[in-house]
Amino acid sequence: QLQLQESGSGLVKPSQTLSLTCAVSGGSISSGGYSWSWIRQPPGKGLEWIGYIYHSGSTYYNPSLESRVTISMDRSNNQFSLKLSSVTAADTAVYYCARATTVVTGCWFDPWGQGILVTVSS
Amino acid sequence: SSELTQDPAVSVALGQTVRITCQGDSLRSYYASWYQQKPGQAPVLVVYGKNNRPSGIPDRFSGSSSGNTASLTITGAQAEDEADYHCNSRDSSGHQLEVFGGGTKVTVL
Repeated sequence: QLQLQESGSGLVKPSQTLSLTCAVSGGSISSGGYSWSWIRQPPGKGLEWIGYIYHSGSTYYNPSLESRVTISMDRSNNQFSLKLSSVTAADTAVYYCARATTVVTGCWFDPWGQGILVTVSS
Repeated sequence: SSELTQDPAVSVALGQTVRITCQGDSLRSYYASWYQQKPGQAPVLVVYGKNNRPSGIPDRFSGSSSGNTASLTITGAQAEDEADYHCNSRDSSGHQLEVFGGGTKVTVL
Protein backbone atom coordinates (compact mmCIF):
# COMPACT_ATOMS: atom_id res chain seq x y z
CA GLN A 1 0.00 0.00 0.00
CA LEU A 2 1.41 3.35 -1.05
CA GLN A 3 2.11 5.71 1.83
CA LEU A 4 3.39 9.30 1.88
CA GLN A 5 4.93 11.12 4.84
CA GLU A 6 5.82 14.81 5.04
CA SER A 7 8.72 16.12 7.07
CA GLY A 8 10.49 19.42 7.54
CA SER A 9 10.56 22.52 9.65
CA GLY A 10 7.28 23.48 11.28
CA LEU A 11 8.38 27.06 11.95
CA VAL A 12 9.88 29.39 9.36
CA LYS A 13 10.79 33.04 9.73
CA PRO A 14 9.33 35.62 7.35
CA SER A 15 11.37 36.13 4.16
CA GLN A 16 13.07 32.76 4.57
CA THR A 17 12.58 29.58 2.56
CA LEU A 18 10.17 26.84 3.55
CA SER A 19 11.56 23.36 2.84
CA LEU A 20 9.57 20.14 3.06
CA THR A 21 10.18 16.56 1.98
CA CYS A 22 7.70 13.81 1.19
CA ALA A 23 8.94 10.25 1.67
CA VAL A 24 7.14 7.66 -0.41
CA SER A 25 6.91 4.00 0.60
CA GLY A 26 5.15 1.04 -0.96
CA GLY A 27 5.84 2.23 -4.50
CA SER A 28 8.37 4.05 -6.65
CA ILE A 29 8.16 7.71 -7.58
CA SER A 30 9.85 6.75 -10.84
CA SER A 31 6.78 4.76 -11.92
CA GLY A 32 5.14 6.11 -15.03
CA GLY A 33 1.60 7.41 -15.08
CA TYR A 34 1.71 9.49 -11.92
CA SER A 35 2.85 12.85 -10.70
CA TRP A 36 3.82 13.87 -7.19
CA SER A 37 2.05 16.86 -5.72
CA TRP A 38 2.05 19.46 -3.00
CA ILE A 39 -1.22 20.95 -1.74
CA ARG A 40 -1.73 23.30 1.19
CA GLN A 41 -4.58 24.37 3.46
CA PRO A 42 -4.43 27.58 5.51
CA PRO A 43 -6.11 27.25 8.92
CA GLY A 44 -9.88 27.16 8.53
CA LYS A 45 -9.72 27.53 4.76
CA GLY A 46 -9.91 25.41 1.61
CA LEU A 47 -7.30 23.47 -0.29
CA GLU A 48 -4.82 25.13 -2.66
CA TRP A 49 -2.84 23.21 -5.26
CA ILE A 50 0.83 24.24 -5.23
CA GLY A 51 2.21 22.09 -8.03
CA TYR A 52 3.46 18.69 -9.08
CA ILE A 53 6.37 16.89 -10.65
CA TYR A 54 6.07 14.03 -13.09
CA HIS A 55 8.19 10.92 -12.98
CA SER A 56 10.01 12.41 -15.99
CA GLY A 57 11.00 15.44 -13.93
CA SER A 58 8.62 17.89 -15.64
CA THR A 59 7.05 20.35 -13.23
CA TYR A 60 3.84 22.38 -13.19
CA TYR A 61 3.09 25.10 -10.67
CA ASN A 62 0.19 27.23 -9.51
CA PRO A 63 0.71 30.57 -11.31
CA SER A 64 0.05 32.45 -8.07
CA LEU A 65 3.07 30.77 -6.47
CA GLU A 66 5.25 29.95 -9.47
CA SER A 67 7.86 32.65 -8.88
CA ARG A 68 8.61 31.27 -5.40
CA VAL A 69 8.13 27.50 -5.76
CA THR A 70 10.45 24.66 -6.65
CA ILE A 71 9.45 21.00 -6.57
CA SER A 72 12.20 18.44 -7.07
CA MET A 73 12.62 14.70 -7.01
CA ASP A 74 15.20 12.48 -5.28
CA ARG A 75 14.86 9.10 -6.97
CA SER A 76 17.61 7.43 -4.97
CA ASN A 77 15.72 8.05 -1.72
CA ASN A 78 12.24 7.74 -3.27
CA GLN A 79 11.16 11.18 -2.11
CA PHE A 80 10.26 14.57 -3.47
CA SER A 81 10.59 18.03 -2.04
CA LEU A 82 9.04 21.47 -1.90
CA LYS A 83 10.83 24.77 -1.51
CA LEU A 84 8.88 28.00 -1.13
CA SER A 85 10.94 31.16 -0.91
CA SER A 86 10.28 34.58 0.60
CA VAL A 87 7.53 33.31 2.86
CA THR A 88 5.07 35.54 4.70
CA ALA A 89 2.37 34.88 7.27
CA ALA A 90 0.01 34.12 4.38
CA ASP A 91 2.02 30.95 3.73
CA THR A 92 1.07 29.54 7.13
CA ALA A 93 -0.80 26.33 6.36
CA VAL A 94 -0.95 22.59 6.62
CA TYR A 95 1.09 21.26 3.71
CA TYR A 96 0.14 17.92 2.18
CA CYS A 97 1.91 15.75 -0.34
CA ALA A 98 -0.12 13.46 -2.56
CA ARG A 99 0.15 11.26 -5.61
CA ALA A 100 -1.74 12.61 -8.62
CA THR A 101 -3.17 10.63 -11.48
CA THR A 102 -3.61 12.83 -14.53
CA VAL A 103 -5.62 11.69 -17.53
CA VAL A 104 -7.18 13.43 -20.52
CA THR A 105 -10.45 13.94 -18.63
CA GLY A 106 -8.98 15.27 -15.40
CA CYS A 107 -6.89 14.58 -12.35
CA TRP A 108 -7.26 13.12 -8.88
CA PHE A 109 -5.11 12.96 -5.77
CA ASP A 110 -4.75 9.69 -3.89
CA PRO A 111 -3.28 8.87 -1.45
CA TRP A 112 -2.36 11.87 0.69
CA GLY A 113 0.20 12.26 3.42
CA GLN A 114 -0.99 13.14 6.91
CA GLY A 115 0.06 16.77 6.47
CA ILE A 116 2.49 19.03 8.30
CA LEU A 117 1.66 22.39 9.83
CA VAL A 118 4.08 25.11 8.83
CA THR A 119 3.86 28.40 10.69
CA VAL A 120 5.55 31.53 9.40
CA SER A 121 6.48 33.72 12.33
CA SER A 122 9.45 35.59 13.70
CA SER B 1 -7.47 30.54 -14.58
CA SER B 2 -10.56 28.75 -13.36
CA GLU B 3 -12.61 28.84 -10.20
CA LEU B 4 -14.78 26.19 -8.60
CA THR B 5 -17.69 27.29 -6.42
CA GLN B 6 -19.22 25.21 -3.63
CA ASP B 7 -21.94 26.02 -1.11
CA PRO B 8 -20.27 26.61 2.28
CA ALA B 9 -22.56 24.29 4.21
CA VAL B 10 -25.43 21.85 3.84
CA SER B 11 -27.27 19.63 6.29
CA VAL B 12 -29.00 16.28 5.90
CA ALA B 13 -31.13 14.12 8.17
CA LEU B 14 -29.68 10.76 9.09
CA GLY B 15 -30.50 8.23 6.40
CA GLN B 16 -31.59 10.81 3.85
CA THR B 17 -29.93 11.90 0.61
CA VAL B 18 -27.78 14.98 0.13
CA ARG B 19 -26.30 16.45 -3.03
CA ILE B 20 -23.19 18.62 -2.89
CA THR B 21 -22.49 20.73 -5.94
CA CYS B 22 -19.42 22.26 -7.53
CA GLN B 23 -19.71 24.84 -10.28
CA GLY B 24 -17.12 26.08 -12.72
CA ASP B 25 -16.39 26.53 -16.42
CA SER B 26 -13.68 23.87 -16.35
CA LEU B 27 -16.32 21.27 -15.51
CA ARG B 28 -17.63 21.52 -19.05
CA SER B 29 -14.36 19.93 -20.17
CA TYR B 30 -13.11 17.91 -17.21
CA TYR B 31 -14.51 15.62 -14.55
CA ALA B 32 -14.36 16.63 -10.91
CA SER B 33 -12.82 14.58 -8.17
CA TRP B 34 -14.21 14.70 -4.63
CA TYR B 35 -12.49 14.48 -1.25
CA GLN B 36 -13.83 13.94 2.25
CA GLN B 37 -11.98 15.65 5.08
CA LYS B 38 -12.73 15.12 8.75
CA PRO B 39 -11.39 17.49 11.42
CA GLY B 40 -7.66 17.18 11.92
CA GLN B 41 -7.29 14.64 9.14
CA ALA B 42 -5.99 14.64 5.59
CA PRO B 43 -8.47 14.61 2.71
CA VAL B 44 -9.54 11.22 1.35
CA LEU B 45 -10.55 10.64 -2.27
CA VAL B 46 -14.17 9.43 -2.48
CA VAL B 47 -15.14 9.88 -6.15
CA TYR B 48 -13.15 10.51 -9.33
CA GLY B 49 -13.67 10.48 -13.06
CA LYS B 50 -17.12 9.93 -14.51
CA ASN B 51 -18.30 8.14 -11.34
CA ASN B 52 -15.59 5.96 -9.83
CA ARG B 53 -14.95 5.11 -6.20
CA PRO B 54 -11.61 4.00 -4.77
CA SER B 55 -11.50 0.69 -2.99
CA GLY B 56 -13.07 0.94 0.45
CA ILE B 57 -15.38 3.87 -0.29
CA PRO B 58 -19.04 2.94 0.35
CA ASP B 59 -21.37 2.83 -2.63
CA ARG B 60 -23.63 5.44 -1.04
CA PHE B 61 -21.17 7.97 -2.51
CA SER B 62 -21.72 8.75 -6.20
CA GLY B 63 -20.73 11.43 -8.66
CA SER B 64 -22.40 13.04 -11.66
CA SER B 65 -21.92 16.00 -13.96
CA SER B 66 -24.06 18.24 -16.14
CA GLY B 67 -22.88 21.32 -17.97
CA ASN B 68 -20.75 23.41 -15.64
CA THR B 69 -21.87 21.60 -12.49
CA ALA B 70 -20.48 18.47 -10.85
CA SER B 71 -22.32 16.80 -7.98
CA LEU B 72 -21.46 14.42 -5.20
CA THR B 73 -24.47 12.55 -3.83
CA ILE B 74 -24.58 10.72 -0.54
CA THR B 75 -27.55 8.34 -0.55
CA GLY B 76 -28.56 7.32 2.95
CA ALA B 77 -26.20 9.63 4.86
CA GLN B 78 -24.58 8.18 7.98
CA ALA B 79 -23.29 9.97 11.03
CA GLU B 80 -19.72 9.24 9.95
CA ASP B 81 -20.29 11.15 6.69
CA GLU B 82 -20.28 14.44 8.58
CA ALA B 83 -17.21 16.18 7.16
CA ASP B 84 -15.95 18.80 4.75
CA TYR B 85 -16.13 17.86 1.08
CA HIS B 86 -13.83 19.42 -1.51
CA CYS B 87 -14.09 19.25 -5.29
CA ASN B 88 -11.12 19.48 -7.65
CA SER B 89 -10.80 19.81 -11.40
CA ARG B 90 -8.29 20.63 -14.11
CA ASP B 91 -8.10 24.28 -15.05
CA SER B 92 -9.87 25.08 -18.31
CA SER B 93 -7.31 27.58 -19.57
CA GLY B 94 -5.43 24.97 -21.56
CA HIS B 95 -2.55 24.96 -19.10
CA GLN B 96 -1.91 21.99 -16.84
CA LEU B 97 -3.19 23.43 -13.60
CA GLU B 98 -5.40 22.05 -10.88
CA VAL B 99 -8.01 23.95 -8.89
CA PHE B 100 -10.05 23.20 -5.77
CA GLY B 101 -13.41 24.47 -4.65
CA GLY B 102 -13.79 26.18 -1.31
CA GLY B 103 -15.29 23.13 0.35
CA THR B 104 -18.74 22.26 1.73
CA LYS B 105 -19.36 21.39 5.37
CA VAL B 106 -21.91 18.57 5.57
CA THR B 107 -23.78 18.21 8.87
CA VAL B 108 -25.75 15.03 9.52
CA LEU B 109 -28.71 15.78 11.80
